[in-house]
Amino acid sequence: DGGITQSPKYLFRKEGQNVTLSCEQNLNHDAMYWYRQDPGQGLRLIYYSQIVNDFQKGDIAEGYSVSREKKESFPLTVTSAQKNPTAFYLCATQGVIGQPLGADTQYFGPGTRLTVL
Amino acid sequence: QKEVEQDPGPLSVPEGAIVSLNCTYSNSAFQYFMWYRQYSRKGPELLMYTYSSGNKEDGRFTAQVDKSSKYISLFIRDSQPSDSATYLCAITRYQKVTFGIGTKLQVIP
Repeated sequence: DGGITQSPKYLFRKEGQNVTLSCEQNLNHDAMYWYRQDPGQGLRLIYYSQIVNDFQKGDIAEGYSVSREKKESFPLTVTSAQKNPTAFYLCATQGVIGQPLGADTQYFGPGTRLTVL
Repeated sequence: QKEVEQDPGPLSVPEGAIVSLNCTYSNSAFQYFMWYRQYSRKGPELLMYTYSSGNKEDGRFTAQVDKSSKYISLFIRDSQPSDSATYLCAITRYQKVTFGIGTKLQVIP
């Protein structure tokens, strides 16, 4: 069963704690992305990785960190430096669709809802 | 100016109505045009995609692209309460995918 899994579905964090959100894929896609979604703000890009052992900051990377040691996995750590971490976090991969002119599109996981207590 | 503009709504319609959801874009080099549906507290799912001007139909859904006006639309016929969701447009230029903010749709029984 191909797809993207994110865990946990819900996560609660105390002030000052770091937490790690998991993202795993078996679509064999090279590129992976982390987004944050807040009401009325759409998707905001946190980090992305186009290949193993390489990643780049997105628009709102402050207070977050990532690693990409395996093609299948792209975990996101929300550090205590992130001032307002309560949000819905989405992981995505990017692959090619369409014939004959293929183009890239993104596929999303089910999301993790993080709440800071 | 944002690369992709989308009215966030919310849009409320009675069951059975025809729904029109729209996005405009600024860069004529955009190649592929996509619509995603996102239910509350779920990840977006790819609904439809097209790369050419004109209409593409899939059941009750029709995606329309007007490249001369840089305008894309998603029409939903015979709307159902199960269509209540946020609909995001997305446009691809080379390997970069740009998303609209999403329009929240509520179909009232």
